[in-house]
Amino acid sequence: GESVGLHLPTLSVQEGDNSIINCAYSNSASDYFIWYKQESGKGPQFIIDIRSNMDKRQGQRVTVLLNKTVKHLSLQIAATQPGDSAVYFCAENMAPGGYNKLIFGAGTRLAVHP
Amino acid sequence: EADIYQTPRYLVIGTGKKITLECSQTMGHDKMYWYQQDPGMELHLIHYSYGVNSTEKGDLSSESTVSRIRTEHFPLTLESARPSHTSQYLCASREAAKNIQYFGAGTRLSVL
Repeated sequence: GESVGLHLPTLSVQEGDNSIINCAYSNSASDYFIWYKQESGKGPQFIIDIRSNMDKRQGQRVTVLLNKTVKHLSLQIAATQPGDSAVYFCAENMAPGGYNKLIFGAGTRLAVHP
Repeated sequence: EADIYQTPRYLVIGTGKKITLECSQTMGHDKMYWYQQDPGMELHLIHYSYGVNSTEKGDLSSESTVSRIRTEHFPLTLESARPSHTSQYLCASREAAKNIQYFGAGTRLSVL
């Protein structure tokens, strides 16, 4: 069936380094993708989104890249900080029958070490 | 920061009890959602609503039920809680013209 998955369950980085979190998706009809950050004890928080007609979008310290050829999505975090430690989820928007819904991947835990 | 609230944050309850998890948003969003999430795992959609008096079942089968009598309120009810219902329940809402869902902090439910 259709699915969204992540390559690495855990990513450890040094403070100040750049982080790259990857995500594979299988539904070629998905038109929109979102990255969420979930800190311990909290709900997912929106980070950045990208439409399927784009291949790159930048925010504050974050960049999302979309490669539709290989159905791959990545989140790059520049100068990673301890406050970036969290679980990151990618989600794809599907619209079966015209009703939009998000399909979430399993998540990658980002651990930032001093 | 989205204005969506869930209560209680934590709930420990015995088997067979009836419980209602509350979710309210003050943004006037028509679309609301309930997800179930086990620790460190992905979110699974269990219910959604496109507006008042609209409720639909999600992708993951759930014994819970929902109601949407008011735009701002989307409670989830378990008539008879069981240990298999132990999980985190997340509520979200979305603007009509955007695909971004905003989440509450969640209710962590433990059924003994």
